[in-house]
Amino acid sequence: GAGVSQSPSNKVTEKGKDVELRCDPISGHTALYWYRQSLGQGLEFLIYFQGNSAPDKSGLPSDRFSAERTGGSVSTLTIQRTQQEDSAVYLCASSLDPGSYTEAFFGQGTRLTVV
Amino acid sequence: AQSVTQLGSHVSVSEGALVLLRCNYSSSVPPYLFWYVQYPNQGLQLLLKYTTGATLVKGINGFEAEFKKSETSFHLTKPSAHMSDAAEYFCAVSDRKRALTFGSGTRLQVQP
Repeated sequence: GAGVSQSPSNKVTEKGKDVELRCDPISGHTALYWYRQSLGQGLEFLIYFQGNSAPDKSGLPSDRFSAERTGGSVSTLTIQRTQQEDSAVYLCASSLDPGSYTEAFFGQGTRLTVV
Repeated sequence: AQSVTQLGSHVSVSEGALVLLRCNYSSSVPPYLFWYVQYPNQGLQLLLKYTTGATLVKGINGFEAEFKKSETSFHLTKPSAHMSDAAEYFCAVSDRKRALTFGSGTRLQVQP
């Protein structure tokens, strides 16, 4: 596609439910990142996929958070047993090659509200 | 390790005035540095980046930033603010191995 696509754009869920957030990166981009943006906060790094290498999961806040990237393309971020503090905008980005550091392109984000 | 500090969570300037948004970084290796802008209800858009070469980098919409290694700074400037510049601005650093580390952001207000 023309840009990074995220779905859904908005998600309201009840506390304790599981949610899946989807990211479709720009075709050909080998690197994919997930960030979380809470109200009044900066961007918090969650996880980073680079090609076939093991993902960098060092930013995941708890074991309720997980992500996968299938076929080196689409990624899904899963939050299990959601809590109110999980409410935030989840941003996905992709780039051609982080080694040379080309631009990271961001999606519009998924606004998650846990009630 | 890498980190970014943005001084001032909110900056207000008058239309036509100089814009200065401050960013200091920490990196164990020569960094790549970025400024992104986020308009209300939109995703992040790259303003400019420094990787190697000239330390004064020009970006879109008249913005520029200067990499000063001795001061570990990458401040963003624009000579004359426009109402359309009102947005949130994020400085970010990369050590080329890991994902970008972002600062906490600076919200720019432009007063008429």
